[in-house]
Amino acid sequence: GDSVTQMEGPVTLSEEACLTINCTYTATGYPSLFWYVQYPGEGLQLLLKATKADDKGSNKGFEATYRKETTSFHLEKGSVQVSDSAVYFCALTTTRGSQGNLIFGKGTKLSVKP
Amino acid sequence: SQTIHQWPATLVQPVGSPLSLECTVEGTSNPNLYWYRQAAGRGLQLLFYSVGIGQISSEVPQNLSASRPQDRQFILSSKKLLLSDSGFYLCAWSPGAGLGGQQYFGPGTRLTVT
Repeated sequence: GDSVTQMEGPVTLSEEACLTINCTYTATGYPSLFWYVQYPGEGLQLLLKATKADDKGSNKGFEATYRKETTSFHLEKGSVQVSDSAVYFCALTTTRGSQGNLIFGKGTKLSVKP
Repeated sequence: SQTIHQWPATLVQPVGSPLSLECTVEGTSNPNLYWYRQAAGRGLQLLFYSVGIGQISSEVPQNLSASRPQDRQFILSSKKLLLSDSGFYLCAWSPGAGLGGQQYFGPGTRLTVT
């Protein structure tokens, strides 16, 4: 079945460091891909998304490119801030039957130190 | 604009007691509705989803149940809580007309079973 694999955390970085969180997926067909962010004690918020191959999603300085050839959707940011500390979830969705629901990776906790 | 509410925000319940968590959505009609659980140190697990009033699909067999008595109301229940039911419960909605696509999450309910 469809699945998402993202890098294990936690990830600890200093402020202004570069961030990459790897995400790869397995899916039949053409899924839409998402990154969600969960700040401490809160629900999930959509960070960015891409709906077809080679699309680049971007928001708040974060970017991710839908790579069909490598089945990847890695999250990147050139300079992280303390306020970026959160758990990041990669997810995909298809529209086939019950698999039209979101399928999440396990999440990667990011801590940014001043 | 659309908003999603969950209550209570936090709950402490003894083992064997009943549970009722409520989720309501405003500003949209015929949404798809979802219940997720996030256990400590683990990813998001889809528990139930609903595409319409009275229509509930269960993803994981367990002692929880869900109901959708109104178009924009989704309730998660249990007759007897287990210790393993502790976790962070998230409700989400997505636009109707089929499953798939972006989901919008509520603020969550932190449940501790003692």
